[in-house]
Amino acid sequence: DTGVSQNPRHKITKRGQNVTFRCDPISEHNRLYWYRQTLGQGPEFLTYFQNEAQLEKSRLLSDRFSAERPKGSFSTLEIQRTEQGDSAMYLCASSSTSGRRAYNEQFFGPGTRLTVL
Amino acid sequence: AQSVSQHNHHVILSEAASLELGCNYSYGGTVNLFWYVQYPGQHLQLLLKYFSGDPLVKGIKGFEAEFIKSKFSFNLRKPSVQWSDTAEYFCAVAPTGGGNKLTFGTGTQLKVEL
Repeated sequence: DTGVSQNPRHKITKRGQNVTFRCDPISEHNRLYWYRQTLGQGPEFLTYFQNEAQLEKSRLLSDRFSAERPKGSFSTLEIQRTEQGDSAMYLCASSSTSGRRAYNEQFFGPGTRLTVL
Repeated sequence: AQSVSQHNHHVILSEAASLELGCNYSYGGTVNLFWYVQYPGQHLQLLLKYFSGDPLVKGIKGFEAEFIKSKFSFNLRKPSVQWSDTAEYFCAVAPTGGGNKLTFGTGTQLKVEL
């Protein structure tokens, strides 16, 4: 399967613990996005990278959240001192900026479901 | 900032019925428009998209959508639904230029009964 992969698929943690999620984009996709989806809502943009550069962060991304894409390939999203309000599905998507299209499709991964007890 | 409204949260149809899902957006500039679908147990996938040109766009599986700029709308349609269309449907917008970050609506859960 050459799609976007995310690990782990499920994470249960206690309030106050740190968690880290990983996203492996489609190879050669230079853009990588993180979204968060809570029950009954659509995905909400968190941040995105072009290669290794983090180009935009949403105001939803508090200081407890940090994302990296050190070599322009996989990305990690870390949440420090988790709170119950962090419980959500965390989605990763990737796309390519090559070609002349005004928009290149974002391909989504299966997500990591986080439950904070 | 942009926002997206989907008016129908849950829709139940019988097979062969026609479908129209409403989507309205709010944004002061030019946008690209999308419909994504999530089948049970599967990833979000792109159903169709509008960048420019013909406001009537066709997507996969017989779906189409019409962009009406004056109404800030991008409604999804299908003349005859099938049981396999049971899924959650999300409308999304992205400002042209920039990072193409998507703003999604809250989604519409469609159930098609045999």
